[in-house]
Amino acid sequence: GALVYQYPRRTICKSGTSMRMECQAVGFQATSVAWYRQSPQKTFELIALSTVNSAIKYEQNFTQEKFPISHPNLSFSSMTVLNAYLEDRGLYLCGARDWGVSETLYFGSGTRLTVL
Amino acid sequence: GEQVEQLPSILRVQEGSSASINCSYEDSASNYFPWYKQEPGENPKLIIDIRSNMERKQIQELIVLLDKKAKRFSLHITDTQPGDSAMYFCAASRGASSSFSKLVFGQGTSLSVVP
Repeated sequence: GALVYQYPRRTICKSGTSMRMECQAVGFQATSVAWYRQSPQKTFELIALSTVNSAIKYEQNFTQEKFPISHPNLSFSSMTVLNAYLEDRGLYLCGARDWGVSETLYFGSGTRLTVL
Repeated sequence: GEQVEQLPSILRVQEGSSASINCSYEDSASNYFPWYKQEPGENPKLIIDIRSNMERKQIQELIVLLDKKAKRFSLHITDTQPGDSAMYFCAASRGASSSFSKLVFGQGTSLSVVP
């Protein structure tokens, strides 16, 4: 079956430092990867959508300078939160799909970011 | 617009009864509507989805209805059990037509099934 592994599950960083999270797709080709942040209020904010070896489209309020994303092949994607501050805390989720084959988005387990 | 509205935000039902969650969307080009269930500390998991060429879909105790004209869709859980207690999210997208077809989520419904 299709699975997405995301790590780390939890991380704590000091204010102003950076942290990187990674996603690995197994059992399907992750041609499209979406990165979301789930706030304490539980809503999902889309950060960016990336297509392998192609452009990355950031949503309003999110920038490449703050959330650089790498999506170099059909099974791997990473995102870094640069200069993390309190407002960046939350659960970060990667969702991957094979866009030419299926609309189904498979989510990783999430990375819970705490900023001290 | 791209917003998806989801109601209610909190739902409490008696075990064995039905639970209904309603969503509405703005983008008339949306053609794919999944529902995700998220348990505490876990990632969201797809439980059922419906495409715009259908009006109704059922998987065991889960029923999804889609009204394209009204731009509304709903999830109905029949014969609810305590294990159905979780957060539920509806979502809408333009499907597999584009690599940048994004999934827009509703705000979530916290369902509690009480004995």
